[in-house]
Amino acid sequence: EVQLVESGGYLVQPGGSLKLSCAASGFTFSNYWMNWVRQAPGKGLEWVANIKYDGSAKNYVDSVKGRFTISRDNAKNSLYLQMNSLRAEDTAVYYCARDEDHSNSRFDCWGQGTLVTVSS
Amino acid sequence: DVQLTQSPSFLSASIGDRVTITCRASQGVRIYLIWYQLKAGKAPKLLIYGASTLQSGVPLRFSGSGSGTEFTLTISSLQPEDSATYYCQQISEYPVTFGGGTKVEIK
Repeated sequence: EVQLVESGGYLVQPGGSLKLSCAASGFTFSNYWMNWVRQAPGKGLEWVANIKYDGSAKNYVDSVKGRFTISRDNAKNSLYLQMNSLRAEDTAVYYCARDEDHSNSRFDCWGQGTLVTVSS
Repeated sequence: DVQLTQSPSFLSASIGDRVTITCRASQGVRIYLIWYQLKAGKAPKLLIYGASTLQSGVPLRFSGSGSGTEFTLTISSLQPEDSATYYCQQISEYPVTFGGGTKVEIK
């Protein structure tokens, strides 16, 4: 069974840092582009970042550029999101999502999400 | 950035009704338009990709159409389990963007 499980969400103060993890199972992780998507309380979905299957390419939404870093460890079947200089507006449920076919992208598998709360 | 505007933002319909949700893009996205279903406490579910291709395992009552700047998601006969929020997404260019969502309620 294809599965993604996020972890690492926590309550953190503004200006703090946090690293999210996403553990993948049930598929060949190293073959897929992966994404982080977030949903702030009461708001819609927002794409955050993606990373190529081999880690050689990364893309970010402007609001997190220079603060967040997406990475992966294919040997550990894991995706990460290092979040620095956190702001209140980063408060959200963070999902990892698999891109089924990057030539015709669609996010076919999502985790249940992990909650990040940025507050003093 | 490509802005996606969904309408309506909320709709209430009865079991068996035909429901249509519209997604308009601020610029052409060809057919790189995707629809997801989101229920509280659950992982988002891929419904339609390439504007009109039904994802494997998704009930046939769901369909998508459109190209360029105007797209629709149709549920041909609304079922109780379709109560959810639906989002469109464009992957034509970075940054990837989502519509604001349409909440579907069962009367």
